[in-house]
Amino acid sequence: SQQGEEDPQALSIQEGENATMNCSYKTSINNLQWYRQNSGRGLVHLILIRSNEREKHSGRLRVTLDTSKKSSSLLITASRAADTASYFCATDSGAQKLVFGQGTRLTINP
Amino acid sequence: DAGVIQSPRHEVTEMGQEVTLRCKPISGHDYLFWYRQTMMRGLELLIYFNNNVPIDDSGMPEDRFSAKMPNASFSTLKIQPSEPRDSAVYFCASSPGETQYFGPGTRLLVL
Repeated sequence: SQQGEEDPQALSIQEGENATMNCSYKTSINNLQWYRQNSGRGLVHLILIRSNEREKHSGRLRVTLDTSKKSSSLLITASRAADTASYFCATDSGAQKLVFGQGTRLTINP
Repeated sequence: DAGVIQSPRHEVTEMGQEVTLRCKPISGHDYLFWYRQTMMRGLELLIYFNNNVPIDDSGMPEDRFSAKMPNASFSTLKIQPSEPRDSAVYFCASSPGETQYFGPGTRLLVL
């Protein structure tokens, strides 16, 4: 069963715009992670935010976590064509086991 | 570091045949995970190992699926007999702790 649910399922924006994806989950977590998957490839880890953190940055990525609402958001600023991919949130509730959401398909139009 | 290595990258087989997928994790990673990805069900965890010992196989669909990790550098996922509904991309991932590193996947088509 899926723990995280991403919203929207698909997002199409112009190059240079910002992209925001949201993730909701159901149970308490140790951390939440975001991964990217390019078509036909394996998932690549982007960023990890712990349950006691509220915001984290990595380059053009900004992740927020609201444990009271059991939700997280991933913001990609100044999007590029190379950012076209599917983005997944994954929750870690302990035991090193991740539960992935269904993902958001992001398309960056030149 | 070569990353997680999976073989074969593509497999086409006929219903009823045995299929063996292979994975070499990143050296030094204590955890190894097998996932299945389909359009309908998304990314599902099948089984994971810690220090070569299976910890949680609750995601294995049925007895037709089995996984082994005979040593720290090799794991197999076997489907016997295979069925068309097993068609999917199978990923292996390894981890030193929290972050997981995925292989390129094996695309399996069962006719």
